[in-house]
Amino acid sequence: NAGVTQTPKFQVLKTGQSMTLQCAQDMNHNSMYWYRQDPGMGLRLIYYSASEGTTDKGEVPNGYNVSRLNKREFSLRLESAAPSQTSVYFCASMRMIGTGGNTIYFGEGSWLTVV
Amino acid sequence: AQKVTQAQTEISVVEKEDVTLDCVYETRDTTYYLFWYKQPPSGELVFLIRRNSFDEQNEISGRYSWNFQKSTSSFNFTITASQVVDSAVYFCALEETSGSRLTFGEGTQLTVNP
Repeated sequence: NAGVTQTPKFQVLKTGQSMTLQCAQDMNHNSMYWYRQDPGMGLRLIYYSASEGTTDKGEVPNGYNVSRLNKREFSLRLESAAPSQTSVYFCASMRMIGTGGNTIYFGEGSWLTVV
Repeated sequence: AQKVTQAQTEISVVEKEDVTLDCVYETRDTTYYLFWYKQPPSGELVFLIRRNSFDEQNEISGRYSWNFQKSTSSFNFTITASQVVDSAVYFCALEETSGSRLTFGEGTQLTVNP
């Protein structure tokens, strides 16, 4: 019963390098999300995918791209990493039922440092 | 736009004390949902509770209780007889039905000392 799995857990990048954070969920959820967590700012939504084949920008999308590869997987790509992207990244998923109030389940987080 | 404010950045208590974490929200929706999540030192986010805007009954679960007051747009969380294992960052979050996305507060770091 893995839930939401994201990799890698830790990564150090040099400025300008690219990388992809992988996320997979085994709960057959249709909605998936990428958040970043920074001290004193809570969690901020980067991108989300309400269903397979769709993606939308969240609150802080600049510098990121996403791919909803299939229903299970939702990846986050940094094309040219910047120190401002040093953060903890959380993938999450949710099964949309009705008009709201559905529980979002989070992965364990990925600690990314850009030097 | 929706907003969640957790004015208490850090709280420190001694074990067995009661502690209340404040959460104030802003929304234009008449139907919305409020959540609390716990983030222990290990980093994962643990779902604690969900409350919809039409249900203002307080809820108690063991040592945890939640007080939802629509009149003051608050959804406060109280831990009774706190324990060291309660030490974590606690996040309040709001979901408007129009967007089905969560807006988080800044989080409150709770430290329970033995």
